[in-house]
Amino acid sequence: AAGVIQSPRHLIKEKRETATLKCYPIPRHDTVYWYQQGPGQDPQFLISFYEKMQSDKGSIPDRFSAQQFSDYHSELNMSSLELGDSALYFCASSLLVGGDLEDTEAFFGQGTRLTVV
Amino acid sequence: EDQVTQSPEALRLQEGESSSLNCSYTVSGLRGLFWYRQDPGKGPEFLFTLYSAGEEKEKERLKATLTKKECFLHITAPKPEDSATYLCAVQAVVDYKLSFGAGTTVTVRA
Repeated sequence: AAGVIQSPRHLIKEKRETATLKCYPIPRHDTVYWYQQGPGQDPQFLISFYEKMQSDKGSIPDRFSAQQFSDYHSELNMSSLELGDSALYFCASSLLVGGDLEDTEAFFGQGTRLTVV
Repeated sequence: EDQVTQSPEALRLQEGESSSLNCSYTVSGLRGLFWYRQDPGKGPEFLFTLYSAGEEKEKERLKATLTKKECFLHITAPKPEDSATYLCAVQAVVDYKLSFGAGTTVTVRA
């Protein structure tokens, strides 16, 4: 079965540079979530989109922005990168409308490991 | 704000030694409680969701039981391949984001 696809898998950037992370949700899924997971920490919610509109916002820095496109893929843009931005960034997707209750379960991608040097 | 607390932080088991993990939560209206398994450097892998107190779900050697304030994940006769971090997350009625606990890292020795 198709899963959530994230690219790139690994990314190394220097401080103050910009990074763009991409997420391709499971086909039919209408909701995308972004999470940041630091070393040894639990995933922290950043932002989510439902039907291409921002639906919820968590602890996302102002330096970060995200959007969901017409094909439902999403991109997380990160500017003025700092050393503390080094983390695993996960995207998850789910189907909120038109499916069963179980379809609201969120399935995660393999993540993008961002290293800022 | 939704809060999820998992205990213990780490659990070292001998192969075949059954044990339980705990997830305590406070949420303003629970839509669902999720269990994920995460291997180092990989994305959380969905295990199951529980929706109401009294519900139980099983998957292979794992069994989850939900109460109004806690969820227990019991591992029966674990094998080394069960070694992973087990994450508990809650989803509130008012929104769909998942709030995660810090996880329990389970290590099963052969």
